[in-house]
Amino acid sequence: GAVVSQHPSWVICKSGTSVKIECRSLDFQATTMFWYRQFPKQSLMLMATSNEGSKATYEQGVEKDKFLINHASLTLSTLTVTSAHPEDSSFYICSARDLRGPQVPQHFGDGTRLSIL
Amino acid sequence: GDSVTQMEGPVTLSEEAFLTINCTYTATGYPSLFWYVQYPGEGLQLLLKATKADDKGSNKGFEATYRKETTSFHLEKGSVQVSDSAVYFCALSRNAGGTSYGKLTFGQGTILTVHP
Repeated sequence: GAVVSQHPSWVICKSGTSVKIECRSLDFQATTMFWYRQFPKQSLMLMATSNEGSKATYEQGVEKDKFLINHASLTLSTLTVTSAHPEDSSFYICSARDLRGPQVPQHFGDGTRLSIL
Repeated sequence: GDSVTQMEGPVTLSEEAFLTINCTYTATGYPSLFWYVQYPGEGLQLLLKATKADDKGSNKGFEATYRKETTSFHLEKGSVQVSDSAVYFCALSRNAGGTSYGKLTFGQGTILTVHP
């Protein structure tokens, strides 16, 4: 089945550091990937839609300069949390949409737990 | 806009009990409907899906039927196991074009705990 790999799975770093999270589709091409943020015991909040070869589309209230998204190939999207602070600590999850359309579900990575000290 | 409402949890059951998690939705057109499951510390896994009215999705003993007349997609399982303990998310995806194409709208999630 379709697999999405997300790396790293867990990162702890000091305040002010920039952190990059990778999302790879391993056995299919994904022109569109999605980045979500999940707070403890809450649902997923869509942050942005990452489109291969073009700028990401951010949801309302998400800071573009804080959360930089790059989707340079059909199998890789990256999320960089710039100058991270404790309030950015969260569980970040990516998903990749199969090219065959929305009736084929998105495939999710296992998430990245980010802790900023 | 689109929205998904799930029954509030947490839900606590004994092993072999019957499970129902209610899910209703609001959307224009004819969305696809999904149930995802999230085990502790992990991402989401697709549990089942239905793409049109009256479709029944099923997997691992779980079932859900797409009811357009009641805009519902309730999740059921006849006999739960301890290993079913997880968070369950109901979601919809637009099938038409436009800016919402392919995006998933999630319900708030329902925590299920099954005791031996």
